[in-house]
Amino acid sequence: EVQLVQSGTEVKKPGESLNISCQASGYTFTRYWVGWVRQLPGRGLEWMGIIYPGDSDTKYSPSFQGRVTFSVDKSTATAYLHWSSLEASDSGIYYCARSDFYFDHWGQGTLVAVSS
Amino acid sequence: EILMTQSPATLSMSPGERATLSCRASQSVSGNLAWYQQKPGQSPRLLIYGASARVTGTPARFSGRGSGTEFTLTITSLQSEDFAVYYCQQYNNRPPYTFGQGTKLEMK
Repeated sequence: EVQLVQSGTEVKKPGESLNISCQASGYTFTRYWVGWVRQLPGRGLEWMGIIYPGDSDTKYSPSFQGRVTFSVDKSTATAYLHWSSLEASDSGIYYCARSDFYFDHWGQGTLVAVSS
Repeated sequence: EILMTQSPATLSMSPGERATLSCRASQSVSGNLAWYQQKPGQSPRLLIYGASARVTGTPARFSGRGSGTEFTLTITSLQSEDFAVYYCQQYNNRPPYTFGQGTKLEMK
């Protein structure tokens, strides 16, 4: 069974850095892209980008390029989403999902709250 | 970047009725279109890909049609569990693979 398990809720202050994780199981991690999707409170889904664990090739949405960084650890089949300096406007739910261009399996989401 | 526009924003229907949701792309995406369902407090769930192919587990009352720039998701005989928000997503050619803004299907 394909599963994507994300790390838990994060409460941070503006300017702080953050890594959230997404651990995959039930399939060959290096053969599928992993994507990240943002959902702001009460809003729709935003495609942030994708990373290919096989070679760490990344494709970022222009809206998120330079604001976040994707990475993977193949040894633990884990994908990461990193911010170096959070802003209050980053508050929302972040989903990881397995990507075969569309997203066929989703993590449970990680709530990120950024407030001073 | 391809803009996806869904209509209507909200659709009020009764159980047993037929619902039709629309999704329009700002340029052709061929048949590279997916539909997702999201219920409150849950992750999105893939229903349809390739514009019309149902994922295993998607009930047959859900059907997708279209190609190019115009797509529809039809739900025949609405069940109580179908009331949710629906998103379309294009994945044509190069990223970003943008989502529509969603259609909320609510019970009348």
